[in-house]
Amino acid sequence: GQNIDQPTEMTATEGAIVQINCTYQTSGFNGLFWYQQHAGEAPTFLSYNVLDGLEEKGRFSSFLSRSKGYSYLLLKELQMKDSASYLCAVVPPTGGGNKLTFGTGTQLKVEL
Amino acid sequence: EAGVTQSPTHLIKTRGQQATLRCSPISGHTSVYWYQQALGLGLQFLLWYDEGEERNRGNFPPRFSGRQFPNYSSELNVNALELEDSALYLCASSLGTGTTDTQYFGPGTRLTVL
Repeated sequence: GQNIDQPTEMTATEGAIVQINCTYQTSGFNGLFWYQQHAGEAPTFLSYNVLDGLEEKGRFSSFLSRSKGYSYLLLKELQMKDSASYLCAVVPPTGGGNKLTFGTGTQLKVEL
Repeated sequence: EAGVTQSPTHLIKTRGQQATLRCSPISGHTSVYWYQQALGLGLQFLLWYDEGEERNRGNFPPRFSGRQFPNYSSELNVNALELEDSALYLCASSLGTGTTDTQYFGPGTRLTVL
């Protein structure tokens, strides 16, 4: 089975750094996606991790530890426009039918 | 490059009716996925189509069905609508059929069942 946990809500201040965690217990694993979803809009791709370690992409970085079943998304120099829901999704192993399994999402609110 | 498009934006139906939702993938993408996003729940995988065939199906009853057309656009049909079918239905497309190919999402169709 698949079980993915994310905090429901987080609040942070403009200009600060925030870390959004995602833990997973899955019967197979072939990587993890992070998506950003603004209210009423499509989820947009942020990152994909399959190897352990940190991947940096501008203000956003994503980390993965396969042995711990743990990932986080790090957002630096927060801006008001970063207020959104952040979704982590586990990729099934090859042959798993491309069925992404999503967490419920973390609603981030950025305040002045 | 145009993204994934979906229509209609909103759809209101009553219990027992049928709903048809449409999706056009990014040009060049052959795989189309459907997800349900109900309030308070994560995206739940519904269906995956590639080259006109259903490749995988999530844990949903048979009244959720769909198809993919020769131009790779897709349709999701929900028969005998129930109140709990009220949700945002998201379509995504990918360039290839690999499990790690990024899925790009459309803005969704908000289905309300009264």
